[in-house]
Amino acid sequence: NAGVMQNPRHLVRRRGQEARLRCSPMKGHSHVYWYRQLPEEGLKFMVYLQKENIIDESGMPKERFSAEFPKEGPSILRIQQVVRGDSAAYFCASSPRGMRDTEAFFGQGTRLTVV
Amino acid sequence: SQKIEQNSEALNIQEGKTATLTCNYTNYSPAYLQWYRQDPGRGPVFLLLIRENEKEKRKERLKVTFDTTLKQSLFHITASQPADSATYLCALDFGSGNTGKLIFGQGTTLQVKP
Repeated sequence: NAGVMQNPRHLVRRRGQEARLRCSPMKGHSHVYWYRQLPEEGLKFMVYLQKENIIDESGMPKERFSAEFPKEGPSILRIQQVVRGDSAAYFCASSPRGMRDTEAFFGQGTRLTVV
Repeated sequence: SQKIEQNSEALNIQEGKTATLTCNYTNYSPAYLQWYRQDPGRGPVFLLLIRENEKEKRKERLKVTFDTTLKQSLFHITASQPADSATYLCALDFGSGNTGKLIFGQGTTLQVKP
């Protein structure tokens, strides 16, 4: 059973471009979470999705950021018109049910660099 | 808002000793508390989960305690090894009404010297 797959592992974008980060959860997992980790900082919650639904997007900036988890295919975190402050590691996690009482499985992250 | 504090200073210990890491939180009491390990350039890996009605949980050389009165969890690694060197994150859920997301502390880096 493959783990959580994130791609690309590294992504370089110029200011103003769009970044698309993909996450394929573990087989059988329908809950997906996105976290952002800035250098020397902890993981910050961004958004929680179940298939085709956004459950909680309280940690996601209101502008330029969006996320989806379609019925078929990976979850996508999309950042439009990137700025230098978006440079960070973005981690996706999946679980068979909510994270509350079960372990979450994290991917290896996508490291976004905005130049 | 909820605040989680882990010792930001790195913890340096000698191989074979017990490492003890602290996680303190404020305001609401979580129903569950989890500990993760993160190596440089990698995603966090789950270690242990403890529930609010559990005082202690063990797994091999790892032990977690959960004191809801002190609002604190302690994470112990006994007979530490250089391979235990990593950043350790505590993560909390906050019970009913929460959508199931975890809030993470900033982590404590452990360095075990041979």
